Amino acid sequence: QMQLVESGGGVVQPGRSLRLSCAASGFTFSSYDIHWVRQAPGKGLEWVAVISSDGSIKYYADSVKGRFTISRDNSKNTLYLQMNSLRAEDTAVYYCAKAGDAYAFDLWGQGTMVTVSS
Amino acid sequence: QSVLTQPPSASGTPGQRVTISCSGSSSNIGSNFVYWYQQLPGTAPKLLIYRNNQRPSGVPDRFSGSKSGTSASLAISGLRSEDEADYYCAAWDDSLSGVVFGGGTKLTVL
Repeated sequence: QMQLVESGGGVVQPGRSLRLSCAASGFTFSSYDIHWVRQAPGKGLEWVAVISSDGSIKYYADSVKGRFTISRDNSKNTLYLQMNSLRAEDTAVYYCAKAGDAYAFDLWGQGTMVTVSS
Repeated sequence: QSVLTQPPSASGTPGQRVTISCSGSSSNIGSNFVYWYQQLPGTAPKLLIYRNNQRPSGVPDRFSGSKSGTSASLAISGLRSEDEADYYCAAWDDSLSGVVFGGGTKLTVL
C-alpha cells in the first residue's frame, strides 16, 4: 500500500544541522509534489516547504527560508529536508505529505521528532 | 498567529450537527481551494475535505465542506464519539507562495 516513512529526527544543539529523509513506496513518487509540514509540541500544523514532482520548483515558509533546503531523489523514491542553523523554535514533529490533488495532502508519514536543545 | 482563523474549540452531543469556521483573505481562501484535515490524538493528520467540498473515498458523508468568499466551514452531522479530534483548515496563499493552515479547532463530543 502507499506509504511515507520519515527518518533522521533526533536531539540536536542550536546552530547545528540535521537532515530528514522521507521514503516513499506504493505509488509513483516521481509524479507528485511532496511537502514537509511540522507540528510543535501541543501546537497546530505549520507548512514548511514543497518540492515539485521533478524537483525544479521549491517554495519555503518564511520561518525556514535560507536555513532549510528541500530536495528529492526520484531514483530512490526519497525526499529530503536539510535543516541548518537550527533554533529552539524548530522543535517539532516533521511530517512529509504527498499532494494528490493540488494541495490536498492525501498521504502522510508517521512523523519524525526533531528536538533542538542545548 | 495563524493566517487562517479558526475557533480554538467546539463541542456537541452525539447525533448533533457541529460547524467549524475558517476565515481567511483574498490571497488564500478567496482565490484558492480550501482543505480540511482531521487529526486524532497521537496520529498524523488525515485529509477530510479537498477542493472546498469534495470528500476522499472512505470519508463518511456526515462530513461536508463549503466556502463563501474568504471564509469556509466544515460541518459534521450525526456527531459520534470518534469524531473527537483536532480539525484544521488549509489553503494555498498567493501572497506568501505557501500553504497556510488555521490554528486548529479541538472538537469535544460531550
